[in-house]
Amino acid sequence: QKEVEQDPGPLSVPEGAIVSLNCTYSNSAFQYFMWYRQYSRKGPELLMYTYSSGNKEDGRFTAQVDKSSKYISLFIRDSQPSDSATYLCAISETSYDKVIFGPGTSLSVIP
Amino acid sequence: DVKVTQSSRYLVKRTGEKVFLECVQDMDHENMFWYRQDPGLGLRLIYFSYDVKMKEKGDIPEGYSVSREKKERFSLILESASTNQTSMYLCASSRAHSPLHFGNGTRLTVT
Repeated sequence: QKEVEQDPGPLSVPEGAIVSLNCTYSNSAFQYFMWYRQYSRKGPELLMYTYSSGNKEDGRFTAQVDKSSKYISLFIRDSQPSDSATYLCAISETSYDKVIFGPGTSLSVIP
Repeated sequence: DVKVTQSSRYLVKRTGEKVFLECVQDMDHENMFWYRQDPGLGLRLIYFSYDVKMKEKGDIPEGYSVSREKKERFSLILESASTNQTSMYLCASSRAHSPLHFGNGTRLTVT
């Protein structure tokens, strides 16, 4: 079993839809959770990061961690064509810089 | 804003050549990292460094070496390039225990 799993997509939604992106992980010791967004031909950029369980909101984006299920989610409200990108989850046991990345989910938001 | 600059966006090299990939960051970050990104495999850590002249192996160091002579610069070296090293190479930097900031990558093709 891989340490971090993520549905690769592609996921295609109409503009304005609510998008749910998810990752599952195998090690219950993981405590640091991040989401990165990667546009085509660019490097990943940090979207959100959280420690331990709970929700964190930033504008249209909400990150949710369910440690009991070993499941993390990123919700995008009122999705825009500019949200079209690959979304990578990243998790760690010890800190935000020693991370394991999921393979990424490709998202297309259709105008 | 943190800026991580990779010297080349695209490189084409021949099998057996020695290849240097350069990365510079301008935020005085202690930590620097080299990843490679391949479809379906996500980001995999090659080497990282927590200080000048220090280096640590990541998950896939075979066939690579690194050099960090100055705090702002981290070089990845392919001693004898092979076709299975064709990939996207991403450099990142961070403060201790903080999230990673990535460059825009170097797409290396080895023929």
